[in-house]
Amino acid sequence: AQSVTQLGSHVSVSEGALVLLRCNYSSSVPPYLFWYVQYPNQGLQLLLKYTTGATLVKGINGFEAEFKKSETSFHLTKPSAHMSDAAEYFCAVSGDGGFKTIFGAGTRLFVKA
Amino acid sequence: GAVVSQHPSWVICKSGTSVKIECRSLDFQATTMFWYRQFPKQSLMLMATSNEGSKATYEQGVEKDKFLINHASLTLSTLTVTSAHPEDSSFYICSARDQGAGSYEQYFGPGTRLTVT
Repeated sequence: AQSVTQLGSHVSVSEGALVLLRCNYSSSVPPYLFWYVQYPNQGLQLLLKYTTGATLVKGINGFEAEFKKSETSFHLTKPSAHMSDAAEYFCAVSGDGGFKTIFGAGTRLFVKA
Repeated sequence: GAVVSQHPSWVICKSGTSVKIECRSLDFQATTMFWYRQFPKQSLMLMATSNEGSKATYEQGVEKDKFLINHASLTLSTLTVTSAHPEDSSFYICSARDQGAGSYEQYFGPGTRLTVT
């Protein structure tokens, strides 16, 4: 079985500050990990993904995440927040052979001017 | 890139009626599609896995007779909410895997907002 825990349902940062969204996963098989962003009343957009290989993954809009197997973590970061980054962010895990994707509860990012 | 569309984007229906939502993969074939439900300010809940040419696999607690799924072709899956009630009001999102890409990545549709009055 797989699961995802996102620490913090709400995160607030100032514009220009570091963004750090935390994600821990549980998986009995090598995981595939994803971060998605969702704007109000829209579907999900893939920010980045880890499948195999390099553990530091770069995505769109300046986001990156690092897969740390020892910590079972896949935290999302961005060096400098922009107002347009305000949205809901979901961490997800897949790879159990059934191709299901399990989503975390989500973290809403607020960016203050 | 891979695009998934949903139709309609929003729908209002009266209690007791049925509503059909379509999910299409526009530029790739998808033998597997997924249907999710999202309540306000909550995460996505997987409802069922739709397999082309076979019956859908429903998650525990999801009523298969209420949420009918048909995956008649490699590019189309439909979700029909039968005898809708106000508690069925929600945001429904589908996704599809690009089998040709050989990855676990899913491409999501823009969602359908269902309101049952």
